[in-house]
Amino acid sequence: GENVEQHPSTLSVQEGDSAVIKCTYSDSASNYFPWYKQELGKRPQLIIDIRSNVGEKKDQRIAVTLNKTAKHFSLHITETQPEDSAVYFCAASKRRISNFGNEKLTFGTGTRLTIIP
Amino acid sequence: ETGVTQTPRHLVMGMTNKKSLKCEQHLGHNAMYWYKQSAKKPLELMFVYNFKEQTENNSVPSRFSPECPNSSHLFLHLHTLQPEDSALYLCASSTRQGYGYTFGSGTRLTVV
Repeated sequence: GENVEQHPSTLSVQEGDSAVIKCTYSDSASNYFPWYKQELGKRPQLIIDIRSNVGEKKDQRIAVTLNKTAKHFSLHITETQPEDSAVYFCAASKRRISNFGNEKLTFGTGTRLTIIP
Repeated sequence: ETGVTQTPRHLVMGMTNKKSLKCEQHLGHNAMYWYKQSAKKPLELMFVYNFKEQTENNSVPSRFSPECPNSSHLFLHLHTLQPEDSALYLCASSTRQGYGYTFGSGTRLTVV
């Protein structure tokens, strides 16, 4: 099955600087890659996702890049702010063979991002 | 609320108790999931339901028993749990299996 590895497990960044979190996946058939943010004591929330037909997607201060050849994708947060402090999870899934839709998401192990004021 | 509601938010149970966790979504999603979140394995898939049918059981011990009476409701029945089962149990739903999960706020379970 799919295996998703995420690095680093912890990351501390000075406020205003950029943060980058990287994930690799094992199944070349995976075609959907979302990122989730989980603040302390709260549920994971989807912040951005990318499909395999594009290489980059941006939404204000966050961006995701995908390298299908190398099977890795990254989350980039620019101009970090204290409210960016959270645990971030990457995930991957692929299209089902039998019918519509994708298979379940396989999550990475998470990155605890701390923004230092 | 996100549209996925989990109850109770907190649960403390003894090892011989029987309890149930409930998840409800009114987003029109047809796939629902149970995840266990602990320090050791941050997001561990337990069960997947697609159109009320269980499509995946990720080698979960039988002391956890899921039930999905319809596409909007998902239960996790618990009995004779172990202390290591203490964790945050998250429910999620999606429109198509694997796309755009919406998570509930979770049930913080403590087994004593």
